[in-house]
Amino acid sequence: QKEVEQNSGPLSVPEGAIASLNCTYSDRVSQSFFWYRQYSGKSPELIMSIYSNGDKEDGRFTAQLNKASQYVSLLIRDSQPSDSATYLCAVSKTDKLIFGTGTRLQVFP
Amino acid sequence: KAGVTQTPRYLIKTRGQQVTLSCSPISGHRSVSWYQQTPGQGLQFLFEYFSETQRNKGNFPGRFSGRQFSNSRSEMNVSTLELGDSALYLCASSTGPPNTEAFFGQGTRLTVV
Repeated sequence: QKEVEQNSGPLSVPEGAIASLNCTYSDRVSQSFFWYRQYSGKSPELIMSIYSNGDKEDGRFTAQLNKASQYVSLLIRDSQPSDSATYLCAVSKTDKLIFGTGTRLQVFP
Repeated sequence: KAGVTQTPRYLIKTRGQQVTLSCSPISGHRSVSWYQQTPGQGLQFLFEYFSETQRNKGNFPGRFSGRQFSNSRSEMNVSTLELGDSALYLCASSTGPPNTEAFFGQGTRLTVV
């Protein structure tokens, strides 16, 4: 079992819709969770961090954390073609981040 | 505020050679982590340095090494390059305590021929 699992996609959503990206992790002691966006040929860009159970909103992005279920999700409201990228879920473990393999999101006009 | 700077951006090396990559973290950040990204394996942790000390190391052979200087700049070195070392090498900086946000540089694209 991988430490951080994501569906590789692609997840295709129409412009204006809500995109829902999911991530599960195996280590119950993990305390910090991050979402990164990576455009093709570019480096990962941090878009959200979440540390406690519940929702955290930042603009069009909402991160959701459920530690009991070991589940993190990212919602993107009013999806735009510019949101088309690979979204990486990362979970902290001691002094490093463990990354999922990413979900490719495609937003079509 | 300047971001994380990695040099060089691109490198082409021959099998058996060695290479040194450089990373300058965000000003005030004392932790530097290195990752290797390949299409097949995704992002894999190499090592993390804080105040010139290696705190954590990933599951890579000893050919991969690194260091951090007193100004927090970091270098990683790969000796005896193999074709499989071709990858995007990413450096991330953070303020240092565990579980804090990490910011990536643009990466160094290494191609081994």
